[in-house]
Amino acid sequence: GDSVTQMEGPVTLSEEAFLTINCTYTATGYPSLFWYVQYPGEGLQLLLKATKADDKGSNKGFEATYRKETTSFHLEKGSVQVSDSAVYFCALSDRDDKLIFGTGTRLQVFP
Amino acid sequence: EAGVTQFPSHSVIEKGQTVTLRCDPISGHDNLYWYRRVMGKEIKFLLHFVKESKQDESGMPNNRFLAERTGGTYSTLKVQPAELEDSGVYFCASSQDFRQPQHFGDGTRLSIL
Repeated sequence: GDSVTQMEGPVTLSEEAFLTINCTYTATGYPSLFWYVQYPGEGLQLLLKATKADDKGSNKGFEATYRKETTSFHLEKGSVQVSDSAVYFCALSDRDDKLIFGTGTRLQVFP
Repeated sequence: EAGVTQFPSHSVIEKGQTVTLRCDPISGHDNLYWYRRVMGKEIKFLLHFVKESKQDESGMPNNRFLAERTGGTYSTLKVQPAELEDSGVYFCASSQDFRQPQHFGDGTRLSIL
């Protein structure tokens, strides 16, 4: 069945460092891909999405490009802030609309 | 507009007891989903309502779980009787239609002792 694999955390960075969180997927169809973020004490928020190959989703300085050839959707940010500390979830939605999530990656940014 | 709201935010019960979780979707959202995250693992789909009908309940773990959405508005998820492995965070999400992103609530943290 469909699945999402993302790098284990925690990822620990200093402020202004470059961030990459790897995400790869397995799907039989042509899924839509998402990154959700959960800040401490809050629910899941959609960070960005891409619906077809080569699409780039972007929001709040974060970017991810839908790479069909490598079945990847890596999350990147050029300069992280302390306020970016959260748990990040990669997810896909295939022919039905339920979301399939990865295990989540905790990001900790220190000043 | 108000977001997806879930009640309670945290519930602690003993094994064998019954617990009911509630989700109020965003007004006008026909699609309502339940997910859960157990022990820091991945968030897993439980079921999907379209209005009051169960569209997909393939993720429901067993018959101790009962979800309802009477009238197509709020939904409840009852666990009876609760077991230790039911501990986790239960998320509810809603969307206007299946092509739109799902909006999540803050979740209910369920602890079974």
